[in-house]
Amino acid sequence: DAGVIQSPRHEVTEMGQEVTLRCKPISGHNSLFWYRQTMMRGLELLIYFNNNVPIDDSGMPEDRFSAKMPNASFSTLKIQPSEPRDSAVYFCASSLIAGETQYFGPGTRLLVL
Amino acid sequence: QQQVKQSPQSLIVQKGGIPIINCAYENTAFDYFPWYQQFPGKGPALLIAIRPDVSEKKEGRFTISFNKSAKQFSLHIMDSQPGDSATYFCAASGMDSSYKLIFGSGTRLLVRP
Repeated sequence: DAGVIQSPRHEVTEMGQEVTLRCKPISGHNSLFWYRQTMMRGLELLIYFNNNVPIDDSGMPEDRFSAKMPNASFSTLKIQPSEPRDSAVYFCASSLIAGETQYFGPGTRLLVL
Repeated sequence: QQQVKQSPQSLIVQKGGIPIINCAYENTAFDYFPWYQQFPGKGPALLIAIRPDVSEKKEGRFTISFNKSAKQFSLHIMDSQPGDSATYFCAASGMDSSYKLIFGSGTRLLVRP
């Protein structure tokens, strides 16, 4: 089993640029999560999808952030325009069903200059 | 009320010691309490979890102790090894939103040889 796959693993961009993070959940999992990890705020849930439908996006910081899940095997998190305060590690996680164990990907380390 | 408070922030023990990490919560609706382990450059991974119907759960060298009346739970690592050096996160979720893990701030553990 390949686990949750995220790309890119590292991203360095300049303020104002668009950033797209990608995630492939574990096959057969119907719940997908995007998290952000920073020293100041720890691990925060940004958005939760169930069966490709966004269920809870209350953690999305502002309109500059958007997430999509066009099919069961792919999701994107987009930041447009990016700002230095968006610098963080972004994790994608998936679970078989809501409430079951969440399996995290390796993360994307984002640095916005 | 949604917070999970974790202590200490960091911990250093000698090999063979028993590090203890503590977490406290306020929301009495929480009914699932997992612990995640995170190594540098990796995503968090589920280590062990407990529900409030038991006061203790043991898996290998890892034990969760749960005190429902005090709204506290803790992780004990028996016979700690240098390979246990990692950051540990407690978390909690409730029946009304079982997908939503609220994470503690993390404890960085170093086990010296």
